[in-house]
Amino acid sequence: KAGVTQTPRYLIKTRGQQVTLSCSPISGHRSVSWYQQTPGQGLQFLFEYFSETQRNKGNFPGRFSGRQFSNSRSEMNVSTLELGDSALYLCASSSSGMGLGEQYFGPGTRLTVT
Amino acid sequence: SQQGEEDPQALSIQEGENATMNCSYKTSINNLQWYRQNSGRGLVHLILIRSNEREKHSGRLRVTLDTSKKSSSLLITASRAADTASYFCATVPTGGGNKLTFGTGTQLKVEL
Repeated sequence: KAGVTQTPRYLIKTRGQQVTLSCSPISGHRSVSWYQQTPGQGLQFLFEYFSETQRNKGNFPGRFSGRQFSNSRSEMNVSTLELGDSALYLCASSSSGMGLGEQYFGPGTRLTVT
Repeated sequence: SQQGEEDPQALSIQEGENATMNCSYKTSINNLQWYRQNSGRGLVHLILIRSNEREKHSGRLRVTLDTSKKSSSLLITASRAADTASYFCATVPTGGGNKLTFGTGTQLKVEL
């Protein structure tokens, strides 16, 4: 099986712009979660989607949003980018929707905001 | 915010030695998972241990879980230079869906 894929791998944006990141889960996985990793805050949970429904949301401003499509692919959007949004954005997929199974991560999207 | 702490923050050993990393967490959990990350790349899943398990093995990895102390340890035996990476524990809280809460990580360096 192919692993979790994320596109693009690298992005450079300017403050005030918006960005959309994409995640394709492992085939058959219906749960997709997003995380932000920064040197200062470490790995922080953004949100989780299961069968197109957002089930959990982390403590991030409304500028961060996401969605999941019927094929389980997910996108996250960040509007009005700030310098502090520079980070590695990771998505994870799982076959379990009950928090019981392994979660597998993609390679991440490195976002730089200038 | 991160739930747990990992100890030590950094560890440097010689190839062939064993490496032990510890993780503490704060709430009741469904399971605890360990991940490896090389130089800011994606997280590689190493092992999952359920809340009703006390020990689990996978190759050179041994994980223990003590739910009464809310702690876990990862032992890598016979370390290799290729094991050099950051290691993170992550917990799935009871009733928390698939939300992972990560520890602060241990940077392991294995020298030849």
